[in-house]
Amino acid sequence: GAVVSQHPSWVICKSGTSVKIECRSLDFQATTMFWYRQFPKQSLMLMATSNEGSKATYEQGVEKDKFLINHASLTLSTLTVTSAHPEDSSFYICSARAGGNTDTQYFGPGTRLTVL
Amino acid sequence: QQQVKQSPQSLIVQKGGISIINCAYENTAFDYFPWYQQFPGKGPALLIAIRPDVSEKKEGRFTISFNKSAKQFSLHIMDSQPGDSATYFCAASMRTGNQFYFGTGTSLTVIP
Repeated sequence: GAVVSQHPSWVICKSGTSVKIECRSLDFQATTMFWYRQFPKQSLMLMATSNEGSKATYEQGVEKDKFLINHASLTLSTLTVTSAHPEDSSFYICSARAGGNTDTQYFGPGTRLTVL
Repeated sequence: QQQVKQSPQSLIVQKGGISIINCAYENTAFDYFPWYQQFPGKGPALLIAIRPDVSEKKEGRFTISFNKSAKQFSLHIMDSQPGDSATYFCAASMRTGNQFYFGTGTSLTVIP
């Protein structure tokens, strides 16, 4: 199946700093990438949808100035958590969808963010 | 509002038994129904998916049953193994949109 990677797999940062998470589709071109947040023992919460070359679409309640998303190429999307605070600590997961008639989303392994 | 309702929240099955997880939806525009398996600290992995034009799809020990009139679909895991212990999510999406609507997840434990 298609492979999606995320980097880093985990990160610890101090409150007030910014953290960038990369999501890459390794063997296919992803016209659309998605960013999710998952709290322990809960479902995935969609944060935003990004299409290559255009601005991301954020879900209601997600601060676009805090969670900056860039989808600069068909294989790379980045999520930057700006001025991180302890409440931003979570498991962040990206997924990628190829173009055409493909409905399937392939998920990355996730990034565990801990803000001290 | 939860677009896809999933049950049970947790499930314990003996090794060799059948695990059954159910999902229900309301939006008849949904036309793609995948199931994902997630291990702790990992991203979800696609298990199997179905479209409304078929009532059943089988891949190895995993089977999706789909009831279009009842707007329900379920995952059956035959001959459940301890390695199947994970959280399972159902989802639904529509061709005209990108978004997946996920169920709340089912934590499956298969005991030896």
